[in-house]
Amino acid sequence: EAGVTQSPTHLIKTRGQQATLRCSPISGHTSVYWYQQALGLGLQFLLWYDEGEERNRGNFPPRFSGRQFPNYSSELNVNALELEDSALYLCASSWGLGARTDTQYFGPGTRLTVL
Amino acid sequence: AQSVTQLGSHVSVSEGALVLLRCNYSSSVPPYLFWYVQYPNQGLQLLLKYTTGATLVKGINGFEAEFKKSETSFHLTKPSAHMSDAAEYFCAVSRPDRGSTLGRLYFGRGTQLTVWP
Repeated sequence: EAGVTQSPTHLIKTRGQQATLRCSPISGHTSVYWYQQALGLGLQFLLWYDEGEERNRGNFPPRFSGRQFPNYSSELNVNALELEDSALYLCASSWGLGARTDTQYFGPGTRLTVL
Repeated sequence: AQSVTQLGSHVSVSEGALVLLRCNYSSSVPPYLFWYVQYPNQGLQLLLKYTTGATLVKGINGFEAEFKKSETSFHLTKPSAHMSDAAEYFCAVSRPDRGSTLGRLYFGRGTQLTVWP
C-alpha cells in the first residue's frame, strides 16, 4: 500500500514569490494535515482538511492557505514568501471525521528554501 | 493549550544499552499519545500510540511506552539499542474531543538519539 506522497521534494524560491506544495494521502484516507518543521521552532500544525473543507487552522498568517480536491489530495500555498518560511513542510493523512482512530501518517516532506 | 515536554534534547547510549526517552504532557483529560521517529531528511514514522486500554504499548523495532496517568508521562523505552536506532524521536498528543484542538497533533521539541558502537 502506498504511503503519503509529497511533491516536490525540494523547492527554492525568492522572497515575495508564491510556493505551491502538493500532497496525496493514503488510499481511503479523507483527512489531510499540514505541518511546518522549521529550524529551532519544532513541528507546528498548519491546516487540517477533511472532505474538502478546512476543519482547523494553526496560528499562521492568512498567506498560508490550501485546499483539498475531490480525490482528497491537497495543496498548500504560501504567498509573499518570507525568509523565515524556509522549513520542511510535512503532510499527513488519516481516516476522516467519525473514524475511531485519528492516527496521522506522514509523508517525506517538501523542503522549501526561501532566498 | 496542550503542551508536550521531552526531557533531554540529546540522549547518547552505547549499542546494547537501554534506551529511555522521556515525555510528559499537560492535559486535564488523558489525550491520545504518540511517538514518532524521524531519520535524516525523511518524514515522521509512527512508532507506537496509546488511545485507550492497556497502558503498556508495544511498537515497531522493539520499542514500547507506558502511559502513566498519575505522572502524566508516556516514556519510550527499548531494552537494547541498535546503531540503526539513531534518529530524532518526537512525542505527540492529540485531543480528539476538543473543538479548538480537533485534528491537530501537539509535538514535543524532539530528542536526538545517538548510539555509540
